Amino acid sequence: AQSVTQPDIHITVSEGASLELRCNYSYGATPYLFWYVQSPGQGLQLLLKYFSGDTLVQGIKGFEAEFKRSQSSFNLRKPSVHWSDAAEYFCAVGAANTGGFKTIFGAGTRLFVKA
Amino acid sequence: DAGVIQSPRHEVTEMGQEVTLRCKPISGHDYLFWYRQTMMRGLELLIYFNNNVPIDDSGMPEDRFSAKMPNASFSTLKIQPSEPRDSAVYFCASSWQALGYTFGSGTRLTVV
Repeated sequence: AQSVTQPDIHITVSEGASLELRCNYSYGATPYLFWYVQSPGQGLQLLLKYFSGDTLVQGIKGFEAEFKRSQSSFNLRKPSVHWSDAAEYFCAVGAANTGGFKTIFGAGTRLFVKA
Repeated sequence: DAGVIQSPRHEVTEMGQEVTLRCKPISGHDYLFWYRQTMMRGLELLIYFNNNVPIDDSGMPEDRFSAKMPNASFSTLKIQPSEPRDSAVYFCASSWQALGYTFGSGTRLTVV
């Protein structure tokens, strides 16, 4: 069974600073990997996904993530954070199972942005 | 497309009452998922459907919970009888194949 760990419960960065959110996964084969963002009172929105190919994937809102098989990681990055990026970020790993496809979400990392 | 539509947005009910949450997925999507989100447990997958057929309901907490998908454009999650520990935000999400989910805005359920 797959699992995903987000080591940081919350992170605070200054506006304009760079950001990296960590994600580690466990799965026997090549997983499908996702990052989602959740603003208060809203559902989750897909930022980016990795299935195969180029290990550096670009997403919406200026985010990118890099898949590193050797480290079982899929960290999310942004070169310059804006105040509107304050939200909760979820890493997720998906895999096929009997009859379908299942995605497991990490516990989330809450991002605070200070002026 | 209006996205995944959930109703109601908020529900307050008394313990022991039946609660029905509704979801309209995005047209053309073949997967539908029900998740529950709480501070203590985070996002939990309750059940998911593929082409209207329930595939995995191992996350449904107990027999008080049931879900149906009578057609490709509608699903319900029912709790009967409801208990205070069922208080949470319930999300419905849909996707085509496994290419990333679109979530609804959720139903905040409070059982008093």
